[in-house]
Amino acid sequence: KNEVEQSPQNLTAQEGEFITINCSYSVGISALHWLQQHPGGGIVSLFMLSSGKKKHGRLIATINIQEKHSSLHITASHPRDSAVYICAVRGNEKLTFGTGTRLTIIP
Amino acid sequence: DAGITQSPRYKITETGRQVTLMCHQTWSHSYMFWYRQDLGHGLRLIYYSAAADITDKGEVPDGYVVSRSKTENFPLTLESATRSQTSVYFCASSPGTGTDTQYFGPGTRLTVL
Repeated sequence: KNEVEQSPQNLTAQEGEFITINCSYSVGISALHWLQQHPGGGIVSLFMLSSGKKKHGRLIATINIQEKHSSLHITASHPRDSAVYICAVRGNEKLTFGTGTRLTIIP
Repeated sequence: DAGITQSPRYKITETGRQVTLMCHQTWSHSYMFWYRQDLGHGLRLIYYSAAADITDKGEVPDGYVVSRSKTENFPLTLESATRSQTSVYFCASSPGTGTDTQYFGPGTRLTVL
């Protein structure tokens, strides 16, 4: 069993829909990261959180440490949000990554 | 221009050849990382470095060698490339450990024939 599980693996939605991507992990962590990988391959960090909730524009990330679960939400989704979203958990010095959720937003 | 760069961006080589992938960052970040990304797997850590002259193995280090003589550079060498090392390789850097964000390079797509 992978230490980090993401669901769904693939998600297609219409523009404007509310999007939720889930991440569950099985180990103790010091922080959880959400990253975005664009179709061109570049990877950027969206959020880093260790408790509660963070918001940046239309993106919201939440984490429940007791349940070992995090969610990434996108409100009013747009075709430019189409990307692979990756969850990663931090133990000591290293990150362990999920396999990603491929999101496609149709105009 | 400031940031983290990788070279080459694309490389095709043959089995058995030595290949070096370069990574350079201009932020003077302490930590640097090498990952590989393959279909069906998340990013997997190959090696990382906490500072110049300090390196440590990650999850999949076999067949790879790293060095870090200067803070800004972290080259990854495949001493004798194999087809299973065909992958996309990402370098990343981070100011420190704990909860620090990692900043990723653009990636190198390596094909071993």
